Amino acid sequence: DAKTTQPTSMDCAEGRAANLPCNHSTISGNEYVYWYRQIHSQGPQYIIHGLKNNETNEMASLIITEDRKSSTLILPHATLRDTAVYYCIVSRDSNYQLIWGAGTKLIIKP
Amino acid sequence: DGGITQSPKYLFRKEGQNVTLSCEQNLNHDAMYWYRQDPGQGLRLIYYSQIVNDFQKGDIAEGYSVSREKKESFPLTVTSAQKNPTAFYLCASRVGGPAGGNTEAFFGQGTRLTVV
Repeated sequence: DAKTTQPTSMDCAEGRAANLPCNHSTISGNEYVYWYRQIHSQGPQYIIHGLKNNETNEMASLIITEDRKSSTLILPHATLRDTAVYYCIVSRDSNYQLIWGAGTKLIIKP
Repeated sequence: DGGITQSPKYLFRKEGQNVTLSCEQNLNHDAMYWYRQDPGQGLRLIYYSQIVNDFQKGDIAEGYSVSREKKESFPLTVTSAQKNPTAFYLCASRVGGPAGGNTEAFFGQGTRLTVV
């Protein structure tokens, strides 16, 4: 099962783009990369997911390398409300589970 | 509004007692999941169910039990056999089936269980 590796913590200035990296070097061909975030003591919130191509929605962009061994979540204009723990996870496609790592604590500074 | 509801938000129990956490969804999702989260840690899978009347153990099922008698409901019982039950418990649901690998999971707001 594919595992993910993320930095423990990151800082970003308010209004700037926040770029959160994730390594998933053992990902298999049918596994999706998902990003969620969790604000303290709340349930995780879905952000975006992708398989091979780059994806964009109203919240963020997801850039996946061509070899699929890593990805980057981009929050284009970070606000203070984006302070949270961000999880990069892969889907265990055969039985539709999600494998969670420890995540990146992102702190947006004024 | 469609969503997934966990209750109660906070729960206190004495050591040695069984306790059941509720999880209800009205999203018509086939798959449901229970996770445990300890302070500063990621989520760990306890049990999951892909369809009514069927469920599978996750990575840390010992000391827990579940049932899936209805599509909308997936209650989790924390038994006295669970050695360290104090934690934050999260329930999630997802479309499931062949399309499940390409759909997001929806989470409840969690139940914080404290055993004293």
